Amino acid sequence: ETGVTQTPRHLVMGMTNKKSLKCEQHLGHNAMYWYKQSAKKPLELMFVYSLEERVENNSVPSRFSPECPNSSHLFLHLHTLQPEDSALYLCASSSGIGTDTEAFFGQGTRLTVV
Amino acid sequence: RKEVEQDPGPFNVPEGATVAFNCTYSNSASQSFFWYRQDCRKEPKLLMSVYSSGNEDGRFTAQLNRASQYISLLIRDSKLSDSATYLCVVKVEGGSQGNLIFGKGTKLSVKP
Repeated sequence: ETGVTQTPRHLVMGMTNKKSLKCEQHLGHNAMYWYKQSAKKPLELMFVYSLEERVENNSVPSRFSPECPNSSHLFLHLHTLQPEDSALYLCASSSGIGTDTEAFFGQGTRLTVV
Repeated sequence: RKEVEQDPGPFNVPEGATVAFNCTYSNSASQSFFWYRQDCRKEPKLLMSVYSSGNEDGRFTAQLNRASQYISLLIRDSKLSDSATYLCVVKVEGGSQGNLIFGKGTKLSVKP
């Protein structure tokens, strides 16, 4: 049982489609993250939101568009993706700044772009 | 140089073996250190934080050497259920939010 829930768990989309990934956390945290995990590569941080404001964007292509309407919800809007964007997209949350702040991850959305 | 480097895997060991994972990090401003565990097709989960004085949790011992920028994880008396990928994670404070930097992970397979 995880305090961070992601939907859908699996998604197959064409390069011209528009889809959204959803993340919800039930832990009362005030920071949320999107990570990308590709085969043979380490987790890559995409976006960080703190108190619903984006505080970091690691030069992610504009075809990925995040939205954080409140501290419990995070979306990743996808449009005109490329096959190389196929990966596991993980959402995480934490209680904020702190040297020992643990990040809790959702189970991820496995995305395949065809 | 990669920010967080780990031993290349996979490690295939028999039950009961002791196995050690090593990790080095490049950013001397790193403040916090962790080991995460990721089971196949699952999300990463925190295994343990790593403190300068070294810390132990049951069969798991983590060590940190700030001078060498080196972190280790020792698993004693390994169990089948220890099979997973172990991720070395470094947190760099700064800006308005700390940033977790992950290593690629080392896969461990414990055999009967």
